[in-house]
Amino acid sequence: EDQVTQSPEALRLQEGESSSLNCSYTVSGLRGLFWYRQDPGKGPEFLFTLYSAGEEKEKERLKATLTKKESFLHITAPKPEDSATYLCAVQAITDSWGKLQFGAGTQVVVTP
Amino acid sequence: DGGITQSPKYLFRKEGQNVTLSCEQNLNHDAMYWYRQDPGQGLRLIYYSQIVNDFQKGDIAEGYSVSREKKESFPLTVTSAQKNPTAFYLCASSTDSGDIQYFGAGTRLSVL
Repeated sequence: EDQVTQSPEALRLQEGESSSLNCSYTVSGLRGLFWYRQDPGKGPEFLFTLYSAGEEKEKERLKATLTKKESFLHITAPKPEDSATYLCAVQAITDSWGKLQFGAGTQVVVTP
Repeated sequence: DGGITQSPKYLFRKEGQNVTLSCEQNLNHDAMYWYRQDPGQGLRLIYYSQIVNDFQKGDIAEGYSVSREKKESFPLTVTSAQKNPTAFYLCASSTDSGDIQYFGAGTRLSVL
């Protein structure tokens, strides 16, 4: 069965203190791995899609990387506005209709 | 502005009552999805639809029903058979199955 585990569950950072979030996955053939950002009481906002091991994508202070078993979301010199819950989801090759299997998320709080 | 509109933002259900959550998109997307989000858990798929007049059950469809009479609309009904309906409900859409899913702002359902 496909599984996605995110760690840590929560992360408290000082402004400017870089860190990484982990997303470990078990899937029968990866079609894609997705990162979303979710603010309290709002819907998830798409950040990145990664398709193959070794792939990296960047957006402002965020950088996502992918290996065969996990993905990392690196937050460089975070600012308070980076505070949010970050969700990871995987899509299996066997699911032709686009099912996403989500992790529980990592809640990030960045203090000034 | 193109996007996904969910309404209402907050909804209260009395015992034995059916309630309907609205989801409308003007992105011209073929595929639409309904997810349920509970604290500390990942998003779980309730129903999905790849095309008008066709929809499939997701992982937790019991106690829910949907329709897809128009490409733009995918309403979700939470029936009285759903014994634990309190959750945050999210609607998503994508150009086709397997593509990036974009989310609405969500509806928070509570039981009176």
